[in-house]
Amino acid sequence: SQKIEQNSEALNIQEGKTATLTCNYTNYSPAYLQWYRQDPGRGPVFLLLIRENEKEKRKERLKVTFDTTLKQSLFHITASQPADSATYLCALDRASGYALNFGKGTSLLVTP
Amino acid sequence: GAVVSQHPSWVICKSGTSVKIECRSLDFQATTMFWYRQFPKQSLMLMATSNEGSKATYEQGVEKDKFLINHASLTLSTLTVTSAHPEDSSFYICSARWPRGDGEKLFFGSGTQLSVL
Repeated sequence: SQKIEQNSEALNIQEGKTATLTCNYTNYSPAYLQWYRQDPGRGPVFLLLIRENEKEKRKERLKVTFDTTLKQSLFHITASQPADSATYLCALDRASGYALNFGKGTSLLVTP
Repeated sequence: GAVVSQHPSWVICKSGTSVKIECRSLDFQATTMFWYRQFPKQSLMLMATSNEGSKATYEQGVEKDKFLINHASLTLSTLTVTSAHPEDSSFYICSARWPRGDGEKLFFGSGTQLSVL
């Protein structure tokens, strides 16, 4: 069955640096991959979607890469700010329907 | 952007009682909504897919008689946890598909923290 792995250890970085989060998956070839942000006690918020035929996508300070050979996506936040502190979730499409399967997420802490 | 409203934000109930959670799409029509459950430090787990005007599709291992889903209109889906027990305590989150363009992205409600005593 589909398996999504995100680094379970929290990532602590200094303000202004680039944060890089990793999402690896197995046993599946997704048509697209998405990244969401989740704050404590809140529902996830959509950030970016990248399709299988796209290598990279950018939105403001965010960048996502998608390597279907390595079965990996990297999520970058440049010029990070304390307000970027949250848990970031990687999500893949399922074989049918529009529901998503989510990874456990990686907690990011940006310190001043 | 699309807004999905979920109520209540939190609920505390006694074991054996039933709890209803509402999920509304405020500025768009959602023919399909999804209900997820999340335990602390765990990933979101899909419970069921709610389709307007038809029966919900439940994921394997989710008891459909315990988690009743009703999607009576294009803007409202409800999840009722019947005869709740302490093990049902969790964070329940609904989501809806964006109906146009990138229909693959989901918009989530703010979640409901259920605590069963």
